[in-house]
Amino acid sequence: DVKVTQSSRYLVKRTGEKVFLECVQDMDHENMFWYRQDPGLGLRLIYFSYDVKMKEKGDIPEGYSVSREKKERFSLILESASTNQTSMYLCASSLRTTPYEQYFGPGTRLTVT
Amino acid sequence: GEDVEQSLFLSVREGDSSVINCTYTDSSSTYLYWYKQEPGAGLQLLTYIFSNMDMKQDQRLTVLLNKKDKHLSLRIADTQTGDSAIYFCAESIGGYSTLTFGKGTMLLVSP
Repeated sequence: DVKVTQSSRYLVKRTGEKVFLECVQDMDHENMFWYRQDPGLGLRLIYFSYDVKMKEKGDIPEGYSVSREKKERFSLILESASTNQTSMYLCASSLRTTPYEQYFGPGTRLTVT
Repeated sequence: GEDVEQSLFLSVREGDSSVINCTYTDSSSTYLYWYKQEPGAGLQLLTYIFSNMDMKQDQRLTVLLNKKDKHLSLRIADTQTGDSAIYFCAESIGGYSTLTFGKGTMLLVSP
């Protein structure tokens, strides 16, 4: 079974703090993704990576950056957290070949106060 | 443009069939997917269908695809209270491995 793990289930940070969310997958997937999920807005893609050290912006990259130094690990960084970044963050991974099915981690609920 | 639409809510009684509908706008969709999200959890892939298929069945799940109308449905037979969750429809387009998700349909199953 594919396993995608995220470093924290719940996180509370203060405005202005630097926040790291980490995601690890154990199935040698080339692609990794970061989404945020908000009520009424569904899932929105923040960034994705198709290889080590490669990254592509998604639909809402502003205020975020990412790092992928190893194939199994993809980090999401909030350089200076703001209250509007309070959300559920979901990581996913997939192979680069069809049918591209993505496997998700359990999510991190981040609250910025 | 890419857009996936779903109704927001569906309520059924235990033992009934549930049908969750989805429409998409991009005719170049190659794969379409159904995911399930239980409260406080990540998304779990239920099934997917290739765009040249009309139907796919997997135990209690039946996926129907009408490519002409760009309409996808998920039928759950003999719905159980454990099926209560949010169901997301998603599409991949062309040769890209990113997915576009709908906003999700909340299914509530009452005893």
